[in-house]
Amino acid sequence: DGGITQSPKYLFRKEGQNVTLSCEQNLNHDAMYWYRQDPGQGLRLIYYSQIVNDFQKGDIAEGYSVSREKKESFPLTVTSAQKNPTAFYLCASSTLAFRGAGELFFGEGSRLTVL
Amino acid sequence: AQSVTQLGSHVSVSEGALVLLRCNYSSSVPPYLFWYVQYPNQGLQLLLKYTSAATLVKGINGFEAEFKKSETSFHLTKPSAHMSDAAEYFCAVSDQYGNKLVFGAGTILRVKS
Repeated sequence: DGGITQSPKYLFRKEGQNVTLSCEQNLNHDAMYWYRQDPGQGLRLIYYSQIVNDFQKGDIAEGYSVSREKKESFPLTVTSAQKNPTAFYLCASSTLAFRGAGELFFGEGSRLTVL
Repeated sequence: AQSVTQLGSHVSVSEGALVLLRCNYSSSVPPYLFWYVQYPNQGLQLLLKYTSAATLVKGINGFEAEFKKSETSFHLTKPSAHMSDAAEYFCAVSDQYGNKLVFGAGTILRVKS
């Protein structure tokens, strides 16, 4: 079945460590996105990519980094510079990069807890 | 700049009762509007979307929403709530120029038996 796979689903890390969240899609979508979800705040955009080897910052990019070396993959690294990394992270993809009616398809999410 | 306001962070209804989740948007250009549903510890799933074709939009699981330009609203309704409707619902807006999708803070729907 086509879809988006995020791993790991749960992740615990010590403060000061970098962590990388995986996102893979087999929908042949050009655009991919990372959102952060905190209770009562909705979803906030971290980074997005419209094409391989290119990506743009979203609203809360500080302390995060991404790469887009393959169309299918868009990993997110949460660096030690991110002041409050504990959150639920959602990866999404679409055929149209924010072109109005383009629907987002979401993965199941990764919950990161920093101890 | 676009923004979305969802009135009520929590809504509680009895099984079989009307579901009404409120969404108001702000956009300087004609918007595209979306409703997504999220079950605990899962991703978001599209319920329905408005793309200017018709003001009343029907979605999955018996949900529908009506676009009212004069009120800048896109409220989500379902005539009869089911226990399986308990989830968090997000309204989102983007514009015709392809600017980013902006999400509301979400409304948690509780369905009482």
